[in-house]
Amino acid sequence: GAVVSQHPSWVICKSGTSVKIECRSLDFQATTMFWYRQFPKQSLMLMATSNEGSKATYEQGVEKDKFLINHASLTLSTLTVTSAHPEDSSFYICSARDGTGDRETQYFGPGTRLLVL
Amino acid sequence: ILNVEQSPQSLHVQEGDSTNFTCSFPSSNFYALHWYRWETAKSPEALFVMTLNGDEKKKGRISATLNTKEGYSYLYIKGSQPEDSATYLCALRDVYFGSGTKLNVKP
Repeated sequence: GAVVSQHPSWVICKSGTSVKIECRSLDFQATTMFWYRQFPKQSLMLMATSNEGSKATYEQGVEKDKFLINHASLTLSTLTVTSAHPEDSSFYICSARDGTGDRETQYFGPGTRLLVL
Repeated sequence: ILNVEQSPQSLHVQEGDSTNFTCSFPSSNFYALHWYRWETAKSPEALFVMTLNGDEKKKGRISATLNTKEGYSYLYIKGSQPEDSATYLCALRDVYFGSGTKLNVKP
């Protein structure tokens, strides 16, 4: 199946710094990618839909100025957590869809664990 | 945001046991229900996409059924093996996820 990579796999940073997470579709082009966040013992929560060449669509309650998304190419979307604070510590995971109609499948990256001190 | 619930939260079975778990979702405006298998330290892996009421999908020892009128889907694993140990997620419209059922199969 298709492969989606994420980098870094984990990051520890100081409060107030910004952290960039990359999501790449390695063997297919993805016009749309998705960013999720998961807090301990909770479900994956969709944060935003990243659209190549246009602005991301954010879910209700997700601050677009806090979580900057850039989808500059068909294989790369980035999520930047700006001025990170301890409450931003979470597991962030991206996904990309490949195929159309009944053959459309969502492929996930391995996730990035962020710890803000 | 659509509320998707999964039960049980965790499950411990012996190798060879058959097991099943539930995904519940709002039945109105149904579009599609997805099942994923998520092993520790790996990416979630798509298992099934289910779109029609009464759908039944099968992949090896794993199968799933769908009831869109009452808003639930069952995932069945026949003859569980240790390698089936993982968290099984369902998602409505492929974006609204349940919290998962963590399955542990003891050899």
